[in-house]
Amino acid sequence: DVKVTQSSRYLVKRTGEKVFLECVQDMDHENMFWYRQDPGLGLRLIYFSYDVKMKEKGDIPEGYSVSREKKERFSLILESASTNQTSMYLCASSLDSGSTDTQYFGPGTRLTVL
Amino acid sequence: QKEVEQDPGPLSVPEGAIVSLNCTYSNSAFQYFMWYRQYSRKGPELLMYTYSSGNKEDGRFTAQVDKSSKYISLFIRDSQPSDSATYLCAMTDNYGQNFVFGPGTRLSVLP
Repeated sequence: DVKVTQSSRYLVKRTGEKVFLECVQDMDHENMFWYRQDPGLGLRLIYFSYDVKMKEKGDIPEGYSVSREKKERFSLILESASTNQTSMYLCASSLDSGSTDTQYFGPGTRLTVL
Repeated sequence: QKEVEQDPGPLSVPEGAIVSLNCTYSNSAFQYFMWYRQYSRKGPELLMYTYSSGNKEDGRFTAQVDKSSKYISLFIRDSQPSDSATYLCAMTDNYGQNFVFGPGTRLSVLP
């Protein structure tokens, strides 16, 4: 079974803090994704990565950056957290490169920025 | 047992066919049910959003929820090649604390 884990289920940070959200998958998947989920807005893609050290912007990359130094780990970074970044953050991974293959989601991190 | 199960496909149908996409789930606390469509290299877009049991129709799309069977469906009538995408189901409880997605079904509508 594919397992996608995220470093925290709940996180509370203050405005201006640097925030790291970690995601690890254990199935040697090529693709990894970071989404945020907000009521009424659905799931929105922030960044994705199709290979180590490779990243592509999704629909809402502003205020975020990512890092993929190892195949199994994809980190989302909020350089200076703001209150409008309070949200549920979901990481996902999928096997094939260059296609919308089955995505396996982590449990999510609910981030609150005060 | 996984919390949400969805046939991964791929599913190929001819243009004009009626498509049925399904998810089953195990957690009776789920109250809100969603269907997303995701095109290649794009983020998922919300298609349908329903609360509790019943049907909801929007154009060629109909979402059905049967909470007694823990089963949800998305029907696409008169399918078009532009409907070719991956469809993900998602659900959450009343508090929005437990958000779970199905893995997605890849659909191809052939002209």
